[in-house]
Amino acid sequence: EDQVTQSPEALRLQEGESSSLNCSYTVSGLRGLFWYRQDPGKGPEFLFTLYSAGEEKEKERLKATLTKKESFLHITAPKPEDSATYLCAVQVSGGSYIPTFGRGTSLIVHP
Amino acid sequence: GAGVSQSPRYKVAKRGQDVALRCDPISGHVSLFWYQQALGQGPEFLTYFQNEAQLDKSGLPSDRFFAERPEGSVSTLKIQRTQQEDSAVYLCASSLELLSSGNTIYFGEGSWLTVV
Repeated sequence: EDQVTQSPEALRLQEGESSSLNCSYTVSGLRGLFWYRQDPGKGPEFLFTLYSAGEEKEKERLKATLTKKESFLHITAPKPEDSATYLCAVQVSGGSYIPTFGRGTSLIVHP
Repeated sequence: GAGVSQSPRYKVAKRGQDVALRCDPISGHVSLFWYQQALGQGPEFLTYFQNEAQLDKSGLPSDRFFAERPEGSVSTLKIQRTQQEDSAVYLCASSLELLSSGNTIYFGEGSWLTVV
């Protein structure tokens, strides 16, 4: 059965303390991997789409990378406004292309 | 508006009551999704529309859940005889294109349903 696992479930950082969030997947035929940010009481906000191993995308303090088994969301010198839940979703070929989400990583950045 | 709009934002229903949740997708978007998100969980797929056609409803948890998109734009998710386990955020999302590899999917703010 296809599965998306995000770790850690929760992460607390000090402002400026860089770290990485992990999204591992066990799917047959990855067609796309998405990262979203979700603030409390809001809907998920699109960040990145990655398609193939070795691909990287950056936006401000965030960089997403992809291997054949997992994706990392690197956060460089985070600020308190980066506090949110980060969701990963995968799209699989040979099926309906409906994105399947992980449970998310809750990030808190302390000033 | 520019984004996906959902209403009501908050709904408290008594157990056994029927509810209807509305979604206005981004104008011109072909694909429309409904997801259910329980507290502390990731979104779980409910159903997918391509224009007015409901192509996938495999995620609807029971026959009390029904969704429609009669004119290929606005969609309504209806829950009959609500139960406490239906309490969740119901997220609507839309995408410009037919569902395929790498579509960017845009979410609304969600409808928060509490069944008491």
